[in-house]
This record gives sequence, structure tokens and C-alpha cells, in this order.
Amino acid sequence: ETGVTQTPRHLVMGMTNKKSLKCEQHLGHNAMYWYKQSAKKPLELMFVYNFKEQTENNSVPSRFSPECPNSSHLFLHLHTLQPEDSALYLCASSQDLGRAGTDTQYFGPGTRLTVL
Amino acid sequence: AQKITQTQPGMFVQEKEAVTLDCTYDTSDQSYGLFWYKQPSSGEMIFLIYQGSYDEQNATEGRYSLNFQKARKSANLVISASQLGDSAMYFCAMSLSDAGGTSYGKLTFGQGTILTVHP
Repeated sequence: ETGVTQTPRHLVMGMTNKKSLKCEQHLGHNAMYWYKQSAKKPLELMFVYNFKEQTENNSVPSRFSPECPNSSHLFLHLHTLQPEDSALYLCASSQDLGRAGTDTQYFGPGTRLTVL
Repeated sequence: AQKITQTQPGMFVQEKEAVTLDCTYDTSDQSYGLFWYKQPSSGEMIFLIYQGSYDEQNATEGRYSLNFQKARKSANLVISASQLGDSAMYFCAMSLSDAGGTSYGKLTFGQGTILTVHP
């Protein structure tokens, strides 16, 4: 596998369910990101991890819980979501948070989440 | 706070012609990076081109070039010889760096422009 992969590609869940989104990058990168893309809104950065350490939490509700066990994997644990959380969730990675150019982010195909 | 503005919700171009997608940005920082991404209907964001704020030459990548006008704070994407497969949503984005040039890792995206290429 190459690039950034995300599973599942589609997810439908009820508001009381607990689910997890998985992201894996095969680029040897050290920084990983979660974004939310809602209809008719710009992409919103949710979390940033650099060398497994969280460096950014963009005021994300606690019902979204990220986990980065190593530089290649990133998870987003979901619980008690709301219908307005329905969106495309995109994972990205970059070489690191170093000098300009090394922060170019490469995205996965996304998980389309529907909360009923 | 930084902001990216894409004023063209939709653009149409004939196959094999060139098209310019507009992007203006607002930041008081001196060190930043500008990016263009393509998002087909499948959803994946595909990196196209990068321009650093201190780069004097306009970036080019194959059929893509970035018309960087720093004084006007614009970073327009030019696609030459359009192809049917270029039909997609295009996003302009900006990342900021600290005084030492280290990225904060935060990308700010514009609203996007839907490009439709006609045969």
C-alpha cells in the first residue's frame, strides 16, 4: 500500500454508538492530522500530531478522541455523536512540522460519516 | 487571523484551454506557505503545488503553475491545456510558520472553486 489510507470509507452510526476511524500512512512521515469537511464549509483542522505528540486541538468537542500510537497510525474514536457531526473526515500526513516545504500535507480518501 | 478567499464558486473551461483559479490570502505574518489541492468527487484531496512566501520564482508542476503576487496577496492557480479529468473542486490553502521557519502544521483552506471542463 502506498500513500495515506483510511478505513472505513463509509460509516453510519447512531448517536449512542461508539466507533473508531483509522488512518495509516506509508510515506515515512512524522506528522499526522485529522480534518472535518462539512457540506458547504471549508475544511476544518481538528487535531495535529507530531512524532506521536498532540500539538494542536482546535477546540474539538470531547466526543471526538484522537489516538496516535506511532507515527504511522492515527485513530479518531467517536462516541455519543450528534447528527451535525455527519461529514467527511480526512486524515493527512506530512514529513514533519519543519521548514517550509516539509509541511506539505498528503491526504487520505476520507471516511464519510453519517450520524442518525 | 489568517484567511483564504476564493471568489469563484464555479468555473467553466473548454478542453485544451487554460484556466485561472483565483485565490487571495490575508495574513500579517512574513513566513507562510501556499498550497493548491484538487478534490474529485471521490473525496480525496490531491496535492498539486506549493509556493513559499520567500520563493522569488513562481512554482510550476507540469500543467500547473502558481501566479504568486506577494504585494497583492494573491496566489492564483493556472491550469494549462485543460483535460476532462481536471473537473473537480480546487482548494487554496495557507500554512503559517514561526520566525525560524518552522511550520505550525495548520492549514487554512478557502471555500473552493468547482471547475468543470467541457469537451
